Amino acid sequence: NAGVTQTPKFQVLKTGQSMTLQCAQDMNHEYMSWYRQDPGMGLRLIHYSVGAGITDQGEVPNGYNVSRSTTEDFPLRLLSAAPSQTSVYFCASSSQIGRTDTQYFGPGTRLTVL
Amino acid sequence: DAKTTQPTSMDCAEGRAANLPCNHSTISGNEYVYWYRQIHSQGPQYIIHGLKNNETNEMASLIITEDRKSSTLILPHATLRDTAVYYCIVRVAGGVDYKLSFGAGTTVTVRA
Repeated sequence: NAGVTQTPKFQVLKTGQSMTLQCAQDMNHEYMSWYRQDPGMGLRLIHYSVGAGITDQGEVPNGYNVSRSTTEDFPLRLLSAAPSQTSVYFCASSSQIGRTDTQYFGPGTRLTVL
Repeated sequence: DAKTTQPTSMDCAEGRAANLPCNHSTISGNEYVYWYRQIHSQGPQYIIHGLKNNETNEMASLIITEDRKSSTLILPHATLRDTAVYYCIVRVAGGVDYKLSFGAGTTVTVRA
């Protein structure tokens, strides 16, 4: 299993540009989520999904859109990039089977908005 | 989810056991104690979790006090690769809120 994969690893955008951060998992997990981590800070939840076709907002959803058309993929779209969105973005997945609820994280996408 | 309190930082000698404390005095009966760590620039990594019994896996041991108000993560033989920020998180397993609330954690530095 590859686990949770994220692309790209690094990205530089100009203010106002849009882009999509990709996240995929091959563990057949129902739950997927996106976090952002600013320098020296903890992770903050952006959006999450409890299954294909179902998404919901986290703590800091403004400026981001998500969709979940398949179990495997959970892309994060930045609509109009702003310097405040400069951060490291982590995708995570988990399963409720066995009720262990362990979350598995991807390696992150480092985004800089100029 | 219950709030946790951890020391800001600690050092450990390579090859020795590292004992990381966590206080969670407001923990509820259905809340588990989870430990994650984040090695520099990487995604957080699950270590271990437990409800009330002590737990052990290939990475670490988790000791939870009888009143469940505190716990200790034990890395039995710390290596340089264990240098990371360690997070103690208390939450309901399978709860509808899938957010993991990472506080500041404990920065563990393993020294040769």
